[in-house]
Amino acid sequence: EAGVAQSPRYKIIEKRQSVAFWCNPISGHATLYWYQQILGQGPKLLIQFQNNGVVDDSQLPKDRFSAERLKGVDSTLKIQPAKLEDSAVYLCASSPGQRAGQETQYFGPGTRLLVL
Amino acid sequence: KQEVTQIPAALSVPEGENLVLNCSFTDSAIYNLQWFRQDPGKGLTSLLLIQSSQREQTSGRLNASLDKSSGRSTLYIAASQPGDSATYLCAVRNSGYSTLTFGKGTMLLVSP
Repeated sequence: EAGVAQSPRYKIIEKRQSVAFWCNPISGHATLYWYQQILGQGPKLLIQFQNNGVVDDSQLPKDRFSAERLKGVDSTLKIQPAKLEDSAVYLCASSPGQRAGQETQYFGPGTRLLVL
Repeated sequence: KQEVTQIPAALSVPEGENLVLNCSFTDSAIYNLQWFRQDPGKGLTSLLLIQSSQREQTSGRLNASLDKSSGRSTLYIAASQPGDSATYLCAVRNSGYSTLTFGKGTMLLVSP
């Protein structure tokens, strides 16, 4: 079974530029998550999708971050414009669902973003 | 608001030692607790998941315990090996549908 795929693996941009990350979850997984992990911290949830609907985006800085999962499969996360403090690893995860027994999350390798 | 704390932040041990990683959480009304492993430059791998009704879970040399009333969990690693070197993260879920709240992790180094 293929795991969660993410691209690119690394990205370096200057502040005020825009950047987009892509995630392909495990086939059949209805729930998709985007996390931000700053160096030395645990992952922080940015947004959670159930199929193509948003379940939780309470910690997403909506003035600069956006995410979509149009067909309920792949997802993109965009930052525009980027700030220095956005430097982090962006992790995508998926789970079969949200209910008991389906909630185990499988993580991708992450995208390392450096904003200069 | 749930807060998760992990102690120690870093740990260095010689190969073969048994060790304990600690996790504490402020809101004891959790649904489940999960331990993850993160290798440098990689994503997270789930190690053990303990439901709120359970006291412990075991997988190979790993044993995780949960004391919900005191807001604590421990991850016990027996006979540590250099391949165990990684960052170990604890995460809690407060309800069947809520998201995970992570601690900052314990960075473990096992020396040959």
